[in-house]
Amino acid sequence: DQQVKQNSPSLSVQEGRISILNCDYTNSMFDYFLWYKKYPAEGPTFLISISSIKDKNEDGRFTVFLNKSAKHLSLHIVPSQPGDSAVYFCAASDGRYGGSQGNLIFGKGTKLSVKP
Amino acid sequence: NAGVMQNPRHLVRRRGQEARLRCSPMKGHSHVYWYRQLPEEGLKFMVYLQKENIIDESGMPKERFSAEFPKEGPSILRIQQVVRGDSAAYFCASSLQGHEQYFGPGTRLTVT
Repeated sequence: DQQVKQNSPSLSVQEGRISILNCDYTNSMFDYFLWYKKYPAEGPTFLISISSIKDKNEDGRFTVFLNKSAKHLSLHIVPSQPGDSAVYFCAASDGRYGGSQGNLIFGKGTKLSVKP
Repeated sequence: NAGVMQNPRHLVRRRGQEARLRCSPMKGHSHVYWYRQLPEEGLKFMVYLQKENIIDESGMPKERFSAEFPKEGPSILRIQQVVRGDSAAYFCASSLQGHEQYFGPGTRLTVT
């Protein structure tokens, strides 16, 4: 039973256009959501996060939207650049250990290809 | 500021041997997490440690796997009597405070 789902294994976008990556979750106890970017043979790199008390967080070209009622979040990248081509993982935490510490539950990832 | 360091980056072991994976967290980070990634899968939580304490090992197989984070030195993930199914990428992450975790480059274990 996957608690975090990324239903699109891949996405192809033209350079300069918007990339929208989607993520759904089932556990209402999740209180924090994160997006990571991963290149082959490297570790995941933290990109952006959002608390469950917010519905939007923006950092430069990256914006994450959270719809709690739908248990859905999305990552928007605009404008997309060829260097954004990577696998993007959605992750969620329930802060179960206290002090905002909690293990992350990951989706299976979406491979983004940005074509020049 | 050095990031999370892991070594070795690649490790080949024969079935039945032991594998030792090391992780040095970012400076000042006292929270360490280990995750495993199988091909075409997301990362799966294994164990959460603080200095000298295992806080949660619920994601780690009960047999053959162990982890430690001593007062001095790196965190170690140890796999005894490896089997082919242990072949995966193992990632360590560290955290200071807050939810964000910062990952190392991973150790790719291949069991032949």
